[in-house]
Amino acid sequence: DAKTTQPPSMDCAEGRAANLPCNHSTISGNEYVYWYRQIHSQGPQYIIHGLKNNETNEMASLIITEDRKSSTLILPHATLRDTAVYYCIVSHYNAGNNRKLIWGLGTSLAVNP
Amino acid sequence: DTGVSQDPRHKITKRGQNVTFRCDPISEHNRLYWYRQTLGQGPEFLTYFQNEAQLEKSRLLSDRFSAERPKGSFSTLEIQRTEQGDSAMYLCASSPDNTDTQYFGPGTRLTVL
Repeated sequence: DAKTTQPPSMDCAEGRAANLPCNHSTISGNEYVYWYRQIHSQGPQYIIHGLKNNETNEMASLIITEDRKSSTLILPHATLRDTAVYYCIVSHYNAGNNRKLIWGLGTSLAVNP
Repeated sequence: DTGVSQDPRHKITKRGQNVTFRCDPISEHNRLYWYRQTLGQGPEFLTYFQNEAQLEKSRLLSDRFSAERPKGSFSTLEIQRTEQGDSAMYLCASSPDNTDTQYFGPGTRLTVL
């Protein structure tokens, strides 16, 4: 199983960019990197995903290294509402080609005023 | 709101009782997932449906747990003879066929006394 490693916690000042790193050195060629976040007591919220190219949407940017062994989620202008646990996940294919997401512990991001 | 819905949002029960949770996925999403999440941990995969077929079950899903999706639309998760260790947030997610992106409901928080 491809696994991810994230720092347990990070701080960021409101209005500044938040850069959340993730290592996924055992990722396979056809496995995507997904980012979700979970605000306290709510269901996880999809943010962004990518295979090997950098991606951007209205919420964030995803930078994937050329060897695909690590990635960084960038929240360009963090707000207090971005305080949440951020999960970096690699989509996993089992022997039956069924897909599921294997979740780690995530990074708890605190955005401070 | 056309997102994933779950009912009830909270359930308190006594040890030994049976409980049933319902999940309504996003319309036309053929895939449906159940996860369990305990405090401080990421979601743990329980089971996965493709339409009405249950294609994968985690070893976490003991004999006391059963999930169904009889018409390929909504799904139910039943826990028989609940134990205190079953206390957790139960999350449901759905996704369309052409992507691994899963969209989560708000979860059902179960407390077993």
